[in-house]
Amino acid sequence: TQLLEQSPQFLSIQEGENLTVYCNSSSVFSSLQWYRQEPGEGPVLLVTVVTGGEVKKLKRLTFQFGDARKDSSLHITAAQPGDTGLYLCAGGRAKTSYDKVIFGPGTSLSVIP
Amino acid sequence: DAGVIQSPRHEVTEMGQEVTLRCKPISGHDYLFWYRQTMMRGLELLIYFNNNVPIDDSGMPEDRFSAKMPNASFSTLKIQPSEPRDSAVYFCASSLWINYGYTFGSGTRLTVV
Repeated sequence: TQLLEQSPQFLSIQEGENLTVYCNSSSVFSSLQWYRQEPGEGPVLLVTVVTGGEVKKLKRLTFQFGDARKDSSLHITAAQPGDTGLYLCAGGRAKTSYDKVIFGPGTSLSVIP
Repeated sequence: DAGVIQSPRHEVTEMGQEVTLRCKPISGHDYLFWYRQTMMRGLELLIYFNNNVPIDDSGMPEDRFSAKMPNASFSTLKIQPSEPRDSAVYFCASSLWINYGYTFGSGTRLTVV
């Protein structure tokens, strides 16, 4: 059974601070996605990384895919209250056309003004 | 495109009643997924369709749950009879590929009393 673990489970920080959340697995993934879910809404795709070692930036968010494609991190610089939400990572294996994405349990981030 | 559209947004029903949740995926997306989200269990995949055909329903908790996709633009998830433990937020998502970039709807918050 594939499992994606995320840490920390909960994070509460002050506006302006930096933070990093992690997504780890013992399995190799062909792609790794990050979603953000705001209260009362569905998850929204932030980024997809597919190459080991790949780094992508989205404004103040930096995403990295591990060299072995088993882990990923999301770093937020100068967090703002609008960054508050549940951050989910999701891995895809694509060994067959039926290999669906596996979601992690999420990191709940609260940015205090 | 208006995105994935789910209805209703909120549903409160009495135990034993039938509940039907509806979803309109993004036009052109070949995959449709039904998820359930709770605090305890996170995001769980219930069933997914490829080109309107159910592929994997191993996440459907019991025979009380059924899902259909009569055409490419509509799917339903039915619970009959409903029980209090079915209370959760149910999401529909669609995608072009099985392991890539899901677009979620805003969800249906179901409360069974």
